[in-house]
Amino acid sequence: DQQVKQNSPSLSVQEGRISILNCDYTNSMFDYFLWYKKYPAEGPTFLISISSIKDKNEDGRFTVFLNKSAKHLSLHIVPSQPGDSAVYFCAASARDNAGNMLTFGGGTRLMVKP
Amino acid sequence: DSGVTQTPKHLITATGQRVTLRCSPRSGDLSVYWYQQSLDQGLQFLIQYYNGEERAKGNILERFSAQQFPDLHSELNLSSLELGDSALYFCASSLDPGKRQYFGPGTRLTVT
Repeated sequence: DQQVKQNSPSLSVQEGRISILNCDYTNSMFDYFLWYKKYPAEGPTFLISISSIKDKNEDGRFTVFLNKSAKHLSLHIVPSQPGDSAVYFCAASARDNAGNMLTFGGGTRLMVKP
Repeated sequence: DSGVTQTPKHLITATGQRVTLRCSPRSGDLSVYWYQQSLDQGLQFLIQYYNGEERAKGNILERFSAQQFPDLHSELNLSSLELGDSALYFCASSLDPGKRQYFGPGTRLTVT
């Protein structure tokens, strides 16, 4: 049972345009959400996070939106750059999870074309 | 550089063997997490330690075990290896549960 899903395995975007990566979750106990970026042969790198008390968090070119009623979050990258080409994972955790481990989605491969 | 180190970077071994993967967390981080990523799939949580004690278990096989030592480094032991255990194994650390996790570069295990 996948509690965090990224339904688009890949996304191709032109440089300078907006990239929108989506993520859906099923566990209503999740209250903290993160996005990680991963290049080949490297570990995931933290990008941005959002707490369930917010519906938007912005950091430079990256904005995460959370729609709790729809159990959906999205990552917007504006403007997209070729260096953004990577696999993006969304992850979620629950406050009452004793270990607070992250549950990851399957990832979306973003390709930004020059 | 996340500050999390993992050794070795690559490991090739035969079925039935046992290997140990090592992780050193970021300075000051008390929590260590282990994840497995198989063949371009998502990251599967295996196990977490907090200040030397096991805190949470995920989809970790009985053939796998881990521990966290007093100096906070952690080891993941994989035994009776099977071809399907070939994967990237990532270690992550955080200051405490609830904080974002910082990932190491991973160990690529190939079982032949």
